[in-house]
Amino acid sequence: TQLLEQSPQFLSIQEGENLTVYCNSSSVFSSLQWYRQEPGEGPVLLVTVVTGGEVKKLKRLTFQFGDARKDSSLHITAAQTGDTGLYLCAGLTDSWGKLQFGAGTQVVVTP
Amino acid sequence: DADVTQTPRNRITKTGKRIMLECSQTKGHDRMYWYRQDPGLGLRLIYYSFDVKDINKGEISDGYSVSRQAQAKFSLSLESAIPNQTALYFCATSDFFGGRGETQYFGPGTRLLVL
Repeated sequence: TQLLEQSPQFLSIQEGENLTVYCNSSSVFSSLQWYRQEPGEGPVLLVTVVTGGEVKKLKRLTFQFGDARKDSSLHITAAQTGDTGLYLCAGLTDSWGKLQFGAGTQVVVTP
Repeated sequence: DADVTQTPRNRITKTGKRIMLECSQTKGHDRMYWYRQDPGLGLRLIYYSFDVKDINKGEISDGYSVSRQAQAKFSLSLESAIPNQTALYFCATSDFFGGRGETQYFGPGTRLLVL
């Protein structure tokens, strides 16, 4: 059973469209991270959110941490083909720093 | 040069064979991790090490063992490979900042096929 549920599992959109990816759990996290993984490579950290209700922006990407620190969302505005990849959320639940990863959302942006 | 390297990048082996996957890092981090990635299951933690003398099992350690030879090196062994160990394996290191989270730095992965 996945501690973190990501939805949707797969998303295909055209360049210029917007998209939102969700990460949900019944557990409370002290922090939550989003990673992006491209084919043939390991995941790369995009952002860490720590405070309930926190919103962070990274160019066209907007990340939000739920007020109760149980969920998060990633919104991409005007998607580009370079946004294609597997987006993984990961939560930190204990003081020892072991991350729990979601299964990921595969995003494909076509020209 | 990459901060986290994994060798080999691809490996095909037969059921019952012992194989070792190696990981080296130049980031100077104490913490190192081994994960496996399967489609639809995300990353699952196999073993982790918070320093050279501290090694811990993750959620799916059965059938695997590890060795932390030095701060910079962390190896994963499959004592007797079986087909359901076919997966993409990642090594990672991290800088831990307590409750405010950590950044994990991943290697490029090893794609393992067990026939």
